[in-house]
Amino acid sequence: EVQLVESGGGLVKPGGSLRLSCAASGFTFSSYSMNWVRQAPGKGLEWVSSISSSSSYIYYADSVKGRFTISRDNAKNSLYLQMNSLRAEDTAVYYCAAREGYSYGYWGQGTLVTVSS
Amino acid sequence: QSALTQPASVSGSPGQSITISCTGTSSDVGGYNYVSWYQQHPGKAPKLMIYDVSNRPSGVSNRFSGSKSGNTASLTISGLQAEDEADYYCSSYTSSSTPVFGGGTKLTVL
Repeated sequence: EVQLVESGGGLVKPGGSLRLSCAASGFTFSSYSMNWVRQAPGKGLEWVSSISSSSSYIYYADSVKGRFTISRDNAKNSLYLQMNSLRAEDTAVYYCAAREGYSYGYWGQGTLVTVSS
Repeated sequence: QSALTQPASVSGSPGQSITISCTGTSSDVGGYNYVSWYQQHPGKAPKLMIYDVSNRPSGVSNRFSGSKSGNTASLTISGLQAEDEADYYCSSYTSSSTPVFGGGTKLTVL
């Protein structure tokens, strides 16, 4: 059974940092491009960042460029998102998602990040 | 990259068919056959329903179908059922090699 389990969310003050993790199992993690997608409370889905299977290609949404860093450890079947200089508008549920072809077939349950003083 | 345009809400009665549109540009929807659709129930993670414009993943009901014309993609749900009530999001690959999502459509089954 495919599982993606996010962790690391929580309450952080504006300007603070947080590191999200996503543990993968049940599929060949090292063969998939991995992504972070977020959803602000009551809002729609927003793509945040993606990393290719071998970490050769990395992309960020303009809204997080320069503040967030995506990485992965294929030996540990894990995906990470280092989030710095957090803002109130970064408050959202963060999902990790595995890309197969050009769609996202596997999603985690999400982890909530709240940025508030 | 601007979000794809979806209607905020659609509704239909059980057994009816509904269609949700997703409008982009030639740099995303119109330029690639890489449109996907996701169903999201409250408090749950999104679920892939359609990929590459019109393909259904294994296990997805054949009541769900997708199509595309020009810069607009569409998701059609036939034989509406109460369990179809959810939010639906389209997504497309873009010329920036990144994805873009639609704003989402709330489907109400009357």
